[in-house]
Amino acid sequence: GENVEQHPSTLSVQEGDSAVIKCTYSDSASNYFPWYKQELGKGPQLIIDIRSNVGEKKDQRIAVTLNKTAKHFSLHITETQPEDSAVYFCAASQRAAGNKLTFGGGTRVLVKP
Amino acid sequence: EAQVTQNPRYLITVTGKKLTVTCSQNMNHEYMSWYRQDPGLGLRQIYYSMNVEVTDKGDVPEGYKVSRKEKRNFPLILESPSPNQTSLYFCASSPLPTAGRNEQFFGPGTRLTVL
Repeated sequence: GENVEQHPSTLSVQEGDSAVIKCTYSDSASNYFPWYKQELGKGPQLIIDIRSNVGEKKDQRIAVTLNKTAKHFSLHITETQPEDSAVYFCAASQRAAGNKLTFGGGTRVLVKP
Repeated sequence: EAQVTQNPRYLITVTGKKLTVTCSQNMNHEYMSWYRQDPGLGLRQIYYSMNVEVTDKGDVPEGYKVSRKEKRNFPLILESPSPNQTSLYFCASSPLPTAGRNEQFFGPGTRLTVL
């Protein structure tokens, strides 16, 4: 089955700096890669996603890149703000597996003011 | 308001005492799923359901049961809880993955402690 590795497990950045989280996946059939943000005491919430036919996607301060050949994808947050402090999860999915998501281990991001 | 609700939010119980965690969604989603979240392991799928009366095992189904008698409800049942089931549990729902509609909506979580 699919295996998703996520690094780093914790990330501390100064407000205004950029944050990058990297994930690798094992199953070349995976074709959908969402990123979820989990704030303290809440459930994960989708913040951005990318499909395998696209190499990059951007939404304001967040962007995701995908390298299908190397089987890795990354989340980039620019101009970080204190409200970006949260746990971020990457995931991988494939249509043949229904809506099953395989998650990475999570990255705890702390933005220091 | 479109949402997924779970009850209870917190539960402390003892080994072997049957319990049920309820999950309900008001978005008319076909797909529902249960995950457990443990430090460093991310979220792992326990069971999922593609529609009423259709359920299947996820990656970590041992010790759990589910049912899907109505479209909006997907309860998680622990017949004989053990300490290794101490975890944070999330229910999620989504439309079926057609036309690119993959987003899963998560409930607020249930923190379970089994003594």
